[in-house]
Amino acid sequence: GENVEQHPSTLSVQEGDSAVIKCTYSDSASNYFPWYKQELGKRPQLIIDIRSNVGEKKDQRIAVTLNKTAKHFSLHITETQPEDSAVYFCAAEYKAAGNKLTFGGGTRVLVKP
Amino acid sequence: KAGVTQTPRYLIKTRGQQVTLSCSPISGHRSVSWYQQTPGQGLQFLFEYFSETQRNKGNFPGRFSGRQFSNSRSEMNVSTLELGDSALYLCASSVTGGPLRDEQYFGPGTRLTVT
Repeated sequence: GENVEQHPSTLSVQEGDSAVIKCTYSDSASNYFPWYKQELGKRPQLIIDIRSNVGEKKDQRIAVTLNKTAKHFSLHITETQPEDSAVYFCAAEYKAAGNKLTFGGGTRVLVKP
Repeated sequence: KAGVTQTPRYLIKTRGQQVTLSCSPISGHRSVSWYQQTPGQGLQFLFEYFSETQRNKGNFPGRFSGRQFSNSRSEMNVSTLELGDSALYLCASSVTGGPLRDEQYFGPGTRLTVT
């Protein structure tokens, strides 16, 4: 069925270190994978997305990698800063479910100064 | 350009009542999706509307319904409220959504508390 597993559920890193969040999905036809950042009390905001015709995409300190064979994708944040502290959600678009966006359970990232 | 707006921002209702939430998308956006966000279940998809038609639906009971108007504004209704319906209800708009997936912009949400 439509399922996106996201790990870890919480992640604590020291400022300046890297953070990695992994998601797996089940629909091999999925071809759109966005990542959202939600700061406390605020709305989710798209930070990066990747489509299945590319394996990696970077935007400054943020990168996303996609492995379609293994059906997983990951978010990498380098040189973490305190303002990176937030909940991060991955999502996958399920073709078999009418292009519905299914979200992972979220990862609470805490960057310690 | 104004962002996605939702009204009301906060709502307290009692069990058995019904509630209507409103979402105004970004100008020019024709797709509106609704999500329920709870601490335990994360972001759960409710439904998506495009050009006044429901294009997709999540796994929620029939007490949850929605509609979209010709100006793309959308409403969702929950009838016979239960305690478990307490959540943050988010709507998100995009230009087309669907198979031509473009970026979704979220509204600030409506915090519904059922007592």
